Amino acid sequence: GAVVSQHPSWVICKSGTSVKIECRSLDFQATTMFWYRQFPKQSLMLMATSNEGSKATYEQGVEKDKFLINHASLTLSTLTVTSAHPEDSSFYICSARVPGLAGTRETQYFGPGTRLLVL
Amino acid sequence: GNSVTQMEGPVTLSEEAFLTINCTYTATGYPSLFWYVQYPGEGLQLLLKATKADDKGSNKGFEATYRKETTSFHLEKGSVQVSDSAVYFCALSGGYNKLIFGAGTRLAVHP
Repeated sequence: GAVVSQHPSWVICKSGTSVKIECRSLDFQATTMFWYRQFPKQSLMLMATSNEGSKATYEQGVEKDKFLINHASLTLSTLTVTSAHPEDSSFYICSARVPGLAGTRETQYFGPGTRLLVL
Repeated sequence: GNSVTQMEGPVTLSEEAFLTINCTYTATGYPSLFWYVQYPGEGLQLLLKATKADDKGSNKGFEATYRKETTSFHLEKGSVQVSDSAVYFCALSGGYNKLIFGAGTRLAVHP
């Protein structure tokens, strides 16, 4: 249980284009999902908290208009990198909490990540 | 504010050696503590967790004990395998259920 998937697993795009990354909870409903960014050999940096049916909460320094987050259903959150540039190249990882399960309130389950390369 | 400090890697061990990866934290309140593992090219997998002081989390031969008095959550394994080679992240749950990660420690196990 508690499986989170991401699609695509990797993407290459041209500078100036937009890229959408999907994060799905496969066997549970997730009211809250999280989006992280990871640079090579570094830790994860929380970008935003995605809440179903409401606006995402962005961390300080993360551009809302650059990284659009939509959490339209209880099993899907999307991250759109708009007008991508080479410096946006990174590994993007989502996670989700499993609500209502005893002892797991604070546990996050992670997707396999999406590697983005902007040329 | 909340923070997590891990020992710097890489840690290089021979198969069947004993492993310790140190993790200390600073936090207000009583956070839950986690160890996640990341294999090359993959996302993070929850390895183990502890939700209160003196709790011991364990999984796949790995153990960590929540030590409030030393604010530590060191990861240990008695006999590592080549397949344990990965990056290990210590984390705590901050406010609003956010996870705060340490910098990660790369483990390389050689036959």
